[in-house]
Amino acid sequence: LAKTTQPISMDSYEGQEVNITCSHNNIATNDYITWYQQFPSQGPRFIIQGYKTKVTNEVASLFIPADRKSSTLSLPRVSLSDTAVYYCLVGDPNNNDMRFGAGTRLTVKP
Amino acid sequence: DSGVTQTPKHLITATGQRVTLRCSPRSGDLSVYWYQQSLDQGLQFLIQYYNGEERAKGNILERFSAQQFPDLHSELNLSSLELGDSALYFCASSESGASYNEQFFGPGTRLTVL
Repeated sequence: LAKTTQPISMDSYEGQEVNITCSHNNIATNDYITWYQQFPSQGPRFIIQGYKTKVTNEVASLFIPADRKSSTLSLPRVSLSDTAVYYCLVGDPNNNDMRFGAGTRLTVKP
Repeated sequence: DSGVTQTPKHLITATGQRVTLRCSPRSGDLSVYWYQQSLDQGLQFLIQYYNGEERAKGNILERFSAQQFPDLHSELNLSSLELGDSALYFCASSESGASYNEQFFGPGTRLTVL
């Protein structure tokens, strides 16, 4: 099971781009990388998922280098409402051993 | 709104008691996952059911059990409750049995054990 390591917390200001990096040194060939966002007292919400290179959707981009030992979630022009905990998960589609780590608590300030 | 419903929203009970938490997955989703989130433990995966059968097991205590019914709703039973069982319990669902697929989380049940 690939373990993930993320910063415990990050601060940013409105309008800035935020990059949260996740380390997963033991990622396996079949593992996908998934990011979730969680607001206080709410269930996590899927943000983005990727296998390699770059993935972009309407809310974020995910950058995965060639060795796949890390990944970076990029949030463009954050607002106060982006204050949340962000979880990086690594999972193999062929098994169900995917676990949430401690996450990164992002605080966006005005 | 994720489409996943959980009842009750809040539950207050005493130590030693037994409670049942209920979850209805999104229409069409076959997998149900249960998670426990307490202040000091983060989000802990408990158990997954897929189309009525247990698919994966996480850090679920022996005092806890779950099942998924033919209509795909699921129940999490917590017995011999202890103070430390106080937490938010989330249910999530996904289309297939692979946990890497997007999981849709319900609003949670907040359990308080006094």
